[in-house]
Amino acid sequence: ETGVTQTPRHLVMGMTNKKSLKCEQHLGHNAMYWYKQSAKKPLELMFVYNFKEQTENNSVPSRFSPECPNSSHLFLHLHTLQPEDSALYLCASSQGRRMNTEAFFGQGTRLTVV
Amino acid sequence: AQTVTQSQPEMSVQEAETVTLSCTYDTSESDYYLFWYKQPPSRQMILVIRQEAYKQQNATENRFSVNFQKAAKSFSLKISDSQLGDAAMYFCAYRGRDDKIIFGKGTRLHILP
Repeated sequence: ETGVTQTPRHLVMGMTNKKSLKCEQHLGHNAMYWYKQSAKKPLELMFVYNFKEQTENNSVPSRFSPECPNSSHLFLHLHTLQPEDSALYLCASSQGRRMNTEAFFGQGTRLTVV
Repeated sequence: AQTVTQSQPEMSVQEAETVTLSCTYDTSESDYYLFWYKQPPSRQMILVIRQEAYKQQNATENRFSVNFQKAAKSFSLKISDSQLGDAAMYFCAYRGRDDKIIFGKGTRLHILP
């Protein structure tokens, strides 16, 4: 248990569906991350939020829409996804602006787009 | 932009032996941190060891140690007395001032009994 919780653990969705992934941490961290892990590109950074502000969007398609309502919660809203978006989506948190602190990861959401 | 490269997709080592995983990185920053993470089959990412760029002394955590060569931008992980529980994917990571944490593609380590 790392203190970072992701729900759901597994998700199957059609290409026309809209769904959301949720991430929650109670570690007092103020930086939160979304990563995509697939066989082709392991651990690809998608978004970074620092003190609720998005500080990084790594050229992610607009069908992925992040939301960070507060420092403890991070969402990834999904719509009109493609089969190639099937992957493990990992959320992480860390102390913002403190380089020496590691990221704590959730256990991921395994997403399958059909 | 910072990049992290792990050139060994897979490695195998005999139980109780020593293995070294390679990592190189590229950055224009002078102050940063480097990390090694382990991802076992459960998929839970676990921190193994960290190294500050300003420290010349190589970090050590029990059986895990690093060889940090700042000028060469090299950051290898040595695992001594390998154990079956060390079997996992190992990721090298870079963190600079902008809070981005960049990972390499990983090395899958197999432990042979």
